Amino acid sequence: NAGVMQNPRHLVRRRGQEARLRCSPMKGHSHVYWYRQLPEEGLKFMVYLQKENIIDESGMPKERFSAEFPKEGPSILRIQQVVRGDSAAYFCASSPLGDTQYFGPGTRLTVL
Amino acid sequence: AQSVTQLGSHVSVSEGALVLLRCNYSSSVPPYLFWYVQYPNQGLQLLLKYTSAATLVKGINGFEAEFKKSETSFHLTKPSAHMSDAAEYFCAVSGSGLNGGSQGNLIFGKGTKLSVKP
Repeated sequence: NAGVMQNPRHLVRRRGQEARLRCSPMKGHSHVYWYRQLPEEGLKFMVYLQKENIIDESGMPKERFSAEFPKEGPSILRIQQVVRGDSAAYFCASSPLGDTQYFGPGTRLTVL
Repeated sequence: AQSVTQLGSHVSVSEGALVLLRCNYSSSVPPYLFWYVQYPNQGLQLLLKYTSAATLVKGINGFEAEFKKSETSFHLTKPSAHMSDAAEYFCAVSGSGLNGGSQGNLIFGKGTKLSVKP
């Protein structure tokens, strides 16, 4: 059973561009979570999704950030008009029933 | 509101010595508690989890943690450190859901970097 997959692993964007981060959960998992890790900090929750539904987006910045988990395909975290402060590692986790979360390898976003 | 405090951002031990990484939590509901390990430039790997079945939880790689409600603690230990244990360790808490499992997002501590000296 393949683990949680994220791509790309590294992403470089210039200020003002869009960043799209993809997450494919483990097979059979219908719950997806996104977290952001800034240097010297732990992971901060961003959003929790089930298929086609956003369950909890209390950790998402109000502007420029959006997430989706369509019926088919991976979950997408989208950051519009990136700024240098968006540089971070973004981790996706999945779980089968909304309990134990299994993490992907992360996408490291660098904004120039 | 739930929170996690990890005491000591850096811990250094000698190979073969006891590893003790401290975690205290705050939760208004029965907590589910987790320890994850992160190796450089990698994702988080689950070490162990507490789900109220037993207070002493055994995990992978020889780690274990004990849930102490009176102390609101969930410290991680390993009797004998190995060089391969050098990594960053994160304690996390989530609330219990209506279905008996944990629910929603994890609240993480800031992490403890473990160094192992030969």
